[in-house]
Amino acid sequence: DQQVKQNSPSLSVQEGRISILNCDYTNSMFDYFLWYKKYPAEGPTFLISISSIKDKNEDGRFTVFLNKSAKHLSLHIVPSQPGDSAVYFCAASALRRGSTLGRLYFGRGTQLTVWP
Amino acid sequence: SAVISQKPSRDICQRGTSLTIQCQVDSQVTMMFWYRQQPGQSLTLIATANQGSEATYESGFVIDKFPISRPNLTFSTLTVSNMSPEDSSIYLCSGQGAEYEKLFFGSGTQLSVL
Repeated sequence: DQQVKQNSPSLSVQEGRISILNCDYTNSMFDYFLWYKKYPAEGPTFLISISSIKDKNEDGRFTVFLNKSAKHLSLHIVPSQPGDSAVYFCAASALRRGSTLGRLYFGRGTQLTVWP
Repeated sequence: SAVISQKPSRDICQRGTSLTIQCQVDSQVTMMFWYRQQPGQSLTLIATANQGSEATYESGFVIDKFPISRPNLTFSTLTVSNMSPEDSSIYLCSGQGAEYEKLFFGSGTQLSVL
């Protein structure tokens, strides 16, 4: 049973425009969310995270929004650059004892292509 | 940031054989994990590698099929035993440092079983 869902397997965006990657989850116990980026032949690398006590977290061109009532989060990349072309994985977890990360549940990923 | 070296990066194996994947971290990590990514699927946790003791396996994964070792805080191996074509996948090791959001991944092993 897929607890974290990324329903768009691919997204194509022109350079300079906004990329919006979406993620839905089903488990209301999840309280910590992460985005990972993966280039071909490389392992996923951590990009940005958000705790359930927030609804927005920003880091440079990357912003993650969390809508707890809808069990939905999104990653915004502005402006998009060709180097952002990669597979983006959404992951969710339930924090243990407030700070230790529990098991991560991953979505299937969205392939982002940014074209010039 | 910790760096995880994983090898081999890819292999093509015959049905019925076994392959051992190695994972070396350049610094101590509290937790190490093994994941599998089947084509078109999400990353699925196989097991947590425990230092000096038996790994903790997730539902659907067993020690006889995926024996795991972790002799120290920086090294772990995963063996895919008695392989079949259904085991063709990317296998990834990961480590978690003191900061809970810092889950690092190796570059992965692309396994193809004929």
